[in-house]
Amino acid sequence: QVQLQESGPGLVKPSQTLSLTCTVSGGSISSGSYYWSWIRQPAGKGLEWIGRIYTSGSTNYNPSLKSRVTISVDTSKNQFSLKLSSVTAADTAVYYCAREELRPTGDWFDPWGQGTLVTVSS
Amino acid sequence: DIQLTQSPSFLSASVGDRVTITCRASQGISSYLAWYQQKPGKAPKLLIYAASTLQSGVPSRFSGSGSGTEFTLTISSLQPEDFATYYCQQLNSFGPGTKVDIK
Repeated sequence: QVQLQESGPGLVKPSQTLSLTCTVSGGSISSGSYYWSWIRQPAGKGLEWIGRIYTSGSTNYNPSLKSRVTISVDTSKNQFSLKLSSVTAADTAVYYCAREELRPTGDWFDPWGQGTLVTVSS
Repeated sequence: DIQLTQSPSFLSASVGDRVTITCRASQGISSYLAWYQQKPGKAPKLLIYAASTLQSGVPSRFSGSGSGTEFTLTISSLQPEDFATYYCQQLNSFGPGTKVDIK
C-alpha cells in the first residue's frame, strides 16, 4: 500500500526558508486522481492545511500562508516538496504530508506520513 | 471559507459507553465531511469519509451521519484504544478537535 515519509531539517532559523520533502512509496505519485497535500500541527493544537498539488503541477494554498508557500512535485523521484519562507516561531509545528482524494462525494486525506517536527529558533 | 466547529471539545467517558461527537459547518456542505482519529505522537487516521462511509479496516463501532451543516461521529461502545482526539474535515478546513478521555 502507499506510504508517505517526510524528510528535512528539524531546525530552521527565523527569517529563513523551511524546506521539506515527502517521498511516496508503494505506488506512483502520478497514478490515479490524487492530490498531494501538506498539513501542520503546532504542539498541543489543531490541524492546519497548508496546500496541495496535483501531478500536473497545479496548486492550491491556504490564503493565510499563500504569500510564503511553494509546493512542487518531482514525479521522476516520486516526491513532492514544501517551501515556507520567512519563518517565525509561529511556524514551529509537526508537518505532515498526505494524499488527498477529491471525489464528487467528498474529499479526504489518506494515508498520512508519520510527521516531522520543525522548530524555528536561532 | 467554511468554518467547522465541534462539540464537545472534551468529553470524559468509560469503556463501553456510547459516545457522540458533533461537527457543525458554517454553511451547507452536502455530505462532504471526513472524520479522523489522532493519538498522541501519531498522525491522524481516517475513520469516515463522505459523512458516513467507513474507511476500510476501521471497526464497525464507528459510524458517521449527517448532511448539510450538522454531522455526528458515533462510537457505539467505547474501547480502550479509542481514547484519542477526533477531528472533522471538509476540503481546506479542520474542526478544532474533540478529546475523548477516560472517566
